[in-house]
Amino acid sequence: NAGVTQTPKFQVLKTGQSMTLQCAQDMNHEYMSWYRQDPGMGLRLIHYSVGAGITDQGEVPNGYNVSRSTTEDFPLRLLSAAPSQTSVYFCASSFSGTSYNEQFFGPGTRLTVL
Amino acid sequence: ELKVEQNPLFLSMQEGKNYTIYCNYSTTSDRLYWYRQDPGKSLESLFVLLSNGAVKQEGRLMASLDTKARLSTLHITAAVHDLSATYFCAYGANSKLTFGKGITLSVRP
Repeated sequence: NAGVTQTPKFQVLKTGQSMTLQCAQDMNHEYMSWYRQDPGMGLRLIHYSVGAGITDQGEVPNGYNVSRSTTEDFPLRLLSAAPSQTSVYFCASSFSGTSYNEQFFGPGTRLTVL
Repeated sequence: ELKVEQNPLFLSMQEGKNYTIYCNYSTTSDRLYWYRQDPGKSLESLFVLLSNGAVKQEGRLMASLDTKARLSTLHITAAVHDLSATYFCAYGANSKLTFGKGITLSVRP
């Protein structure tokens, strides 16, 4: 299994540009989520999904859209990038079938918005 | 509002000594997670604690959970340089986790 994969690893955008961060998992996990990590802030939840076709907002959803058309993929879209969205983005997935509900994280995407 | 507080935020440790770091959270139930993050890397899962009194150990690290006090501790035995990293605790379930700000541990000779 490849686990949780994210592309690209690095990206530089100009203010106002749009882009999609890709996240995929091959573990048949129902739950997927996006977090952003800023220095001194820990990780903050952007959006999450409990299954294909179902998404909801997390703590910091403004400026981001998500969709979940398949179990495997959970892309994060930035509609109009702003410098405040400069961050490291992590995708995570987990399986509901165990009590521990361990979360698996992807390698991250480092985004810079100029 | 769910909050997770970690302290201290930075800890300089001497090789061979024992240390404890703390994680306080603001509500009950669900799971408590501990992660390790090396600079520029992703998060590595260390422990998942489910119930009051739960204790888990892996190598020099031991995590425990007191749900009544809403407190988790991570005990480090005989610190070694390889343990230098940032350690996060997080609370929640089903891909909805609330993280603390992390504790950066640095082990010196």
